[in-house]
Amino acid sequence: DQQVKQNSPSLSVQEGRISILNCDYTNSMFDYFLWYKKYPAEGPTFLISISSIKDKNEDGRFTVFLNKSAKHLSLHIVPSQPGDSAVYFCAASGGSNYKLTFGKGTLLTVNP
Amino acid sequence: DVKVTQSSRYLVKRTGEKVFLECVQDMDHENMFWYRQDPGLGLRLIYFSYDVKMKEKGDIPEGYSVSREKKERFSLILESASTNQTSMYLCASRLTGNRGYTFGSGTRLTVV
Repeated sequence: DQQVKQNSPSLSVQEGRISILNCDYTNSMFDYFLWYKKYPAEGPTFLISISSIKDKNEDGRFTVFLNKSAKHLSLHIVPSQPGDSAVYFCAASGGSNYKLTFGKGTLLTVNP
Repeated sequence: DVKVTQSSRYLVKRTGEKVFLECVQDMDHENMFWYRQDPGLGLRLIYFSYDVKMKEKGDIPEGYSVSREKKERFSLILESASTNQTSMYLCASRLTGNRGYTFGSGTRLTVV
């Protein structure tokens, strides 16, 4: 039972354009969501997060949108740069223990 | 700067060997986690520990055990390594109450 789903295994965009990565969740107890970025042979690094009391959070070129009614969140990267090429993991937590549940990841390739 | 250190970046072991993967954090974090990352499967939780000498099974604990004798160190043990345990292993830690994890750089384990 996959509680956090990233349905696109890969995404390819041109440099300078917008990248939109999507994530769906099924567990209504989730109230905090994070995006991690991972380069090959490195550990994931935290990118941006959002609490369920908000519907948008912005940090430089990265914006996360949360649609609670649809149980959907998205990460927008504008403008995309070749250095953004990596695997992006969506993660969610909620309830008493805050354990993170991860999606399977989306490989983003930004072409020069 | 906070750090989670995994003792080996790359490891090659033979089938049937007992394998120890070590993780040390210098942030006084109570919670520590072991994940494995496989293509198409994302990050899957093997074991976690909320505090010293405490451990709980994650989603895929079979074939693994863990040890947490000191707060800063969390060891993952493969009792008898098998080829299907070839994977990228990621250690993470977190302060109780925080939502996000800090990850180590990972250990790429190959079992031949």
